[in-house]
Amino acid sequence: GAVVSQHPSWVICKSGTSVKIECRSLDFQATTMFWYRQFPKQSLMLMATSNEGSKATYEQGVEKDKFLINHASLTLSTLTVTSAHPEDSSFYICSARRDGGEMEFFGPGTRLTVL
Amino acid sequence: QKEVEQNSGPLSVPEGAIASLNCTYSDRGSQSFFWYRQYSGKSPELIMFIYSNGDKEDGRFTAQLNKASQYVSLLIRDSQPSDSATYLCGSSGGGADGLTFGKGTHLIIQP
Repeated sequence: GAVVSQHPSWVICKSGTSVKIECRSLDFQATTMFWYRQFPKQSLMLMATSNEGSKATYEQGVEKDKFLINHASLTLSTLTVTSAHPEDSSFYICSARRDGGEMEFFGPGTRLTVL
Repeated sequence: QKEVEQNSGPLSVPEGAIASLNCTYSDRGSQSFFWYRQYSGKSPELIMFIYSNGDKEDGRFTAQLNKASQYVSLLIRDSQPSDSATYLCGSSGGGADGLTFGKGTHLIIQP
């Protein structure tokens, strides 16, 4: 199989706080993981590419100092939304790609609500 | 800029009929194409991927790719109510690229 988990599945926080979201590939190693964001009735937008052992690559318009990504091992990437504000409320979804593969397997997503 | 275009729908198809979903892409360098199904409030799940011109069949699903026309489609035969969902078309340039998604087509299968 190719199972990707995310934690937490949902989180509600106050404006100004930081939130960490974990993405794990449970049964395979993933040198590359991706972070997407999806607003209601919109498509998934790629935020950044997370590379194990190196800095993440951010898409145009995504603030790297606000969305901190750490890919510390071949099975774990974390996204930290720093100083979250209501406009950061969204569905955050990670995906992982098997080494040498092209298919992306998505995690179940994390719904972030910033009050 | 890479773009993937889909008709947002909704596309309404009677149960048992063939549902045809279409997608065009702007980047000629795109090499692989993916169809994901997403139920409301859930994460996308992979249905099929295709990277060669022509048809690829998997059960009730057939993906079609025409690189000259920069066109990808997904056919769903014998449509079932459980097929009702949003279908996302994604393209990849290969290598370490993440996917570029269209906005998705909302498919409704009418019992």
